[in-house]
Amino acid sequence: EAGVTQFPSHSVIEKGQTVTLRCDPISGHDNLYWYRRVMGKEIKFLLHFVKESKQDESGMPNNRFLAERTGGTYSTLKVQPAELEDSGVYFCASSPRDRGRIADTQYFGPGTRLTVL
Amino acid sequence: AQKVTQAQTEISVVEKEDVTLDCVYETRDTTYYLFWYKQPPSGELVFLIRRNSFDEQNEISGRYSWNFQKSTSSFNFTITASQVVDSAVYFCALSEARDSSYKLIFGSGTRLLVRP
Repeated sequence: EAGVTQFPSHSVIEKGQTVTLRCDPISGHDNLYWYRRVMGKEIKFLLHFVKESKQDESGMPNNRFLAERTGGTYSTLKVQPAELEDSGVYFCASSPRDRGRIADTQYFGPGTRLTVL
Repeated sequence: AQKVTQAQTEISVVEKEDVTLDCVYETRDTTYYLFWYKQPPSGELVFLIRRNSFDEQNEISGRYSWNFQKSTSSFNFTITASQVVDSAVYFCALSEARDSSYKLIFGSGTRLLVRP
């Protein structure tokens, strides 16, 4: 079974440009999460999809970030326009399904390292 | 408020030594989940273990063992007879049942260096 995949693995852009990150979850996983780790800080939650719906986007830093999950499959995270402080590693994770009040294990992708110059 | 503290920023040991990575958590929820993830130099986060708050049994998996103590809000991770391949950053994380998203709250990570 293929794991969570993310594309690209690295992205270097200039301040003010737009970047789109993609995540393909494990097949059949309803839950998809985005996290990021900026330099020297903890890994922080950004948002959570259940299928194609946003369940929780409380961690999105501002309206320059837009996440979508088309048809409940892959997800994209767009940053427009990018700022210097957006640099970091963006992780995607997926977990099987909503079992009510039981948390499933989240499986992570390799991350996308974003550098904004 | 929920929080995970990994006080050890970096640990360096010589191969075959035992090493314990500390994790202390804070939560007001009565049902919660604790996790350990490993981040090797290649960068991906690899799931190691998940523990439910209502199951305080310690667990052993090969050279890895975990000690969960609710009384001290700790979930420590021990590697016995460490190997160079254990060199990585290790993250402890918490998820609360009252959070419908079950998002993970991470500690800052402990970088383990195992020297040959």
